[in-house]
Order: sequence, then structure tokens, then C-alpha cells
Amino acid sequence: DAGVTQSPTHLIKTRGQHVTLRCSPISGHKSVSWYQQVLGQGPQFIFQYYEKEERGRGNFPDRFSARQFPNYSSELNVNALLLGDSALYLCASTRPGTGRTEAFFGQGTRLTVV
Amino acid sequence: GNSVTQMEGPVTLSEEAFLTINCTYTATGYPSLFWYVQYPGEGLQLLLKATKADDKGSNKGFEATYRKETTSFHLEKGSVQVSDSAVYFCALSEGIQGAQKLVFGQGTRLTINP
Repeated sequence: DAGVTQSPTHLIKTRGQHVTLRCSPISGHKSVSWYQQVLGQGPQFIFQYYEKEERGRGNFPDRFSARQFPNYSSELNVNALLLGDSALYLCASTRPGTGRTEAFFGQGTRLTVV
Repeated sequence: GNSVTQMEGPVTLSEEAFLTINCTYTATGYPSLFWYVQYPGEGLQLLLKATKADDKGSNKGFEATYRKETTSFHLEKGSVQVSDSAVYFCALSEGIQGAQKLVFGQGTRLTINP
């Protein structure tokens, strides 16, 4: 089975632009979460979606938004990019309801804002 | 809120040395605990987990025991290899099923010299 896949792997954007990052979870996983990992730090929680509904939101500005599609894939959108948005964006999928709590991560999208 | 604190790095060891990376947590209730590993340029990989007090997680020679009395989940390996060089993250899960998120420590960079 394929793991969590994210696209694109790398992205360079200019301040003020908008970006869309994509994630496909492991087959059978209905929950997707997004994390931001700034260089040298641990990942910080941004959003969680389960069954196409937002189930959690971290301490991020409204410039960050996300959605989950009927096939359980997800998009993370960031508007009005700032230099400080430069980070590795990680997507994780989980399978709630199975008693298994571990999250499986994709390889991430490296976003550089210039 | 819940938090995770890891020993500060970087940690540099010689091959075949004994490894300990300390991790302590603050949480309400009894969260599941995890160790994730991140190799250069990659996303996070689950290394091991423990879901209740006194559980021992183990994988690839690494071990960690969930200690409720000391709120700790220290990572150990008896004999490290050069291939173990990576960044290690301790994490806990919080929230209810379908709305869980991971709270990460700041990470510990491990370098193993031949």
C-alpha cells in the first residue's frame, strides 16, 4: 500500500502570494492532519479533518485554511504569504475508530517564501 | 496545555555506544506517547509507541517505557549505528478519537561517528 503522499515536494513563492499544498492519506485512513515544522523545531499542529469536517485547529492565523474531499484527500491553503511561513509542511493520516492512535506522515512539502 | 520536553542536543556518539534521549511530558489524563525519527530531507517516521503506563515500546533495537510516576518516556538503544544518525522527536497525543493531535518536543539531533 502507498503511504501518505504530498505534493509538491518543494515550492518557492513570493511574499503576498497564495499557495495550495496537497495530501493523499493512506488507503482506508479517513483523518488527515496538517503540521508546520520550522527549521530546527518540532512540528506544530495546524488542522485536523475527519470525515470531511474540521475537528481541530491550532494557533494559526486565518490566512491558513484547509479542506478534505470525499476521497479523504486534503488541501492546505495559505494566503498572503509571509517570510515566516517558510517551513516544511507535513501531512499525517490516521485511522480513528480502530483503537490505533499512531499517525503516519508524508515526506512533506518544503515551502520557501522569498 | 499539554507539553513535551526533550533533552537538548545535539548529541554525538561513537558507533556501538549506549544511547539515551530524555523525554518528559506534562498532560492531563493518560495520553499515548510516541517517538518519531526524521532523516535528512524526509518526513517523520514512527519509531515506537506506548499507549498506557508501564507499556514498553520497541523497534529496531530502540526501547522506551511509559513511566507515569515520573511522566517520562526516555528513548534508549544499547548499541548505536552510523545509520541511526537523525533527529528524534518525542510526542504525545491529545484529544478524543477523530479529533486527536500530536504535541511534539523540540527534537534531538543525533550524530553517530564511525
